[in-house]
Amino acid sequence: NAGVMQNPRHLVRRRGQEARLRCSPMKGHSHVYWYRQLPEEGLKFMVYLQKENIIDESGMPKERFSAEFPKEGPSILRIQQVVRGDSAAYFCASSPTRGLSSYNEQFFGPGTRLTVL
Amino acid sequence: TQLLEQSPQFLSIQEGENLTVYCNSSSVFSSLQWYRQEPGEGPVLLVTVVTGGEVKKLKRLTFQFGDARKDSSLHITAAQPGDTGLYLCAGARGGATNKLIFGTGTLLAVQP
Repeated sequence: NAGVMQNPRHLVRRRGQEARLRCSPMKGHSHVYWYRQLPEEGLKFMVYLQKENIIDESGMPKERFSAEFPKEGPSILRIQQVVRGDSAAYFCASSPTRGLSSYNEQFFGPGTRLTVL
Repeated sequence: TQLLEQSPQFLSIQEGENLTVYCNSSSVFSSLQWYRQEPGEGPVLLVTVVTGGEVKKLKRLTFQFGDARKDSSLHITAAQPGDTGLYLCAGARGGATNKLIFGTGTLLAVQP
């Protein structure tokens, strides 16, 4: 019974490069959330996706950040032209289909630690 | 604006002691979850509370949701070194998104 999987666990990029973070939700889960944990700060919501749809991206920076959850394959968080301020831990969480749960339970992956040099 | 304040921020206690962590807000939440996070790992879900006044027990951990669903507490009895970690509360407001709003965190260290 695999949990939420994220890869890579650690990612080092130079300023200006692109970062791609992958998330495979738990089996049977069709809802994916991305959160960011900046150094010395708490977890902050970024985006919520269902298969092929972005439901809420109110926490995403307006530029350089994008997310997708295709019909097949993992969810991807993409950061273009990374800057040092993007260095953080990025966590993905998944939850089951809403109809099967009367409340929201989100299960987190181990995270991707992005370091921008 | 931090919607969920946790206290204390840091706590260092001896094995066998009891402790309580508080999670407070001026906002109402449809549900509230408690997580524990260890260094280099993701948050692990401990419990979800949804009903005002609800009390849930998980071995030595007791969770309570306030009557007005604005606050919660986590009580640990006879703490053990294995309880060491960052404890996070997270509230959901429901609706189409149900995104979680995380608390400021409580870093607990239990000394043997």
